[in-house]
Amino acid sequence: QVQLVESGGGVVQPGMSLGLSCAASGFSFSYNGMTWVRQAPGKGLEWVSFISYDGSNKYYADSVKGRFTISRDNSKNTVYLQMNSLRAEDTAVYYCARDYCSITSCYDSWGQGTLVTVSS
Amino acid sequence: QSVLTQPPSVSAAPGQKVTISCSGSNSNVGNNYVSWYQQLPGTAPKLLIYDNNKRLSGIPDRFSGSKSGTSATLDITGLQTGDEADYYCGTWDSSLSAWVFGGGTKVTVL
Repeated sequence: QVQLVESGGGVVQPGMSLGLSCAASGFSFSYNGMTWVRQAPGKGLEWVSFISYDGSNKYYADSVKGRFTISRDNSKNTVYLQMNSLRAEDTAVYYCARDYCSITSCYDSWGQGTLVTVSS
Repeated sequence: QSVLTQPPSVSAAPGQKVTISCSGSNSNVGNNYVSWYQQLPGTAPKLLIYDNNKRLSGIPDRFSGSKSGTSATLDITGLQTGDEADYYCGTWDSSLSAWVFGGGTKVTVL
């Protein structure tokens, strides 16, 4: 079955960098777009970034544009999120999810999430 | 302030029906497919409805979605205690070139 496992979360100081990974299994990874969604403590879902199946198209929320970079390695079935210049407001659980739909994206499989805490 | 507007909370007794609205604009709901997600406490979101009204395999037919113009709706009939969760709508916003979520609606079973 489809499995997504995030890793790389932790505690980091403001202004520092952190990289997240999402290892996928159970499906043909190179056929699906992938996304990152975050959820600050006690808050709603916030979309962060999306990458197309082949990595040719990438999109970012305005709140992270210029600071975060999404990438993927289809040979390793892994999607990444490089986060630079971290701020306290980036503190959240970060989920990766698979794009299931063909026209407008929708996300049918989610990882368990990894917690990123930005604090001095 | 979310691009998509949902009521913060809805409630009903077991067996009853609740309706969750998701209001947007022509750049998002009006011209793109909407999906709905259920998030139980302490868990990852779960896709319920996609392409406005299609149920993901395994989702009970008590959950149904619809869309009219720039508003979408999720109906839950035969409400059960296990339906207590946060529900989010989402879609692509063509003007923002970004995916957008609603602010979420907490469903309480009285």
